[in-house]
Amino acid sequence: AQTVTQSQPEMSVQEAETVTLSCTYDTSESDYYLFWYKQPPSRQMILVIRQEAYKQQNATENRFSVNFQKAAKSFSLKISDSQLGDAAMYFCAYRTPNDYKLSFGAGTTVTVRA
Amino acid sequence: GAGVSQSPRYKVAKRGQDVALRCDPISGHVSLFWYQQALGQGPEFLTYFQNEAQLDKSGLPSDRFFAERPEGSVSTLKIQRTQQEDSAVYLCASSLASAWGKETQYFGPGTRLLVL
Repeated sequence: AQTVTQSQPEMSVQEAETVTLSCTYDTSESDYYLFWYKQPPSRQMILVIRQEAYKQQNATENRFSVNFQKAAKSFSLKISDSQLGDAAMYFCAYRTPNDYKLSFGAGTTVTVRA
Repeated sequence: GAGVSQSPRYKVAKRGQDVALRCDPISGHVSLFWYQQALGQGPEFLTYFQNEAQLDKSGLPSDRFFAERPEGSVSTLKIQRTQQEDSAVYLCASSLASAWGKETQYFGPGTRLLVL
């Protein structure tokens, strides 16, 4: 079974600063997909960014970027120029090409200080 | 267009009561999922539908949990004889076609169930 670990229960960042969230995973597969989802308080979870394991280039979506280290099985999320609206719980998730289940980490709560 | 909707948003049940949680996926989405999210944890898979067929129910914690999607659109998760350990947020997600690989799952806002 795949295991996704987020070792930081909480992170705090000053508005306009940068914060990096950690995620590691355990798998014997060579091809898979990694995701970061954002879950604001009492609101629905939305996909922030997605990385395909066979792509060496790190994915970027506006202020969100990842550092994908396949050998280390590490998939961190960097939020640049943090905004108050970035405050949420962030989940790292994993899925193989032949599966439909997402395996989630326990989440990291991000607070943004004005 | 409209996203995934769930109702009710909050449900308080007395232990032993039956509850029914509804999910309206995005129109035209073939795949539908239910996840259970305990407080402070990530979602955990419960069950998966492709159209009206329930292809995987391996994550359902007990036979008190039952899910259906009779016409391939709206789905209902039913919990019989609720227990305190059933207290959680129940998330529904849908995806357009097959649910494999990089296909995006779109989540609803969840139903927060509290069993007293």
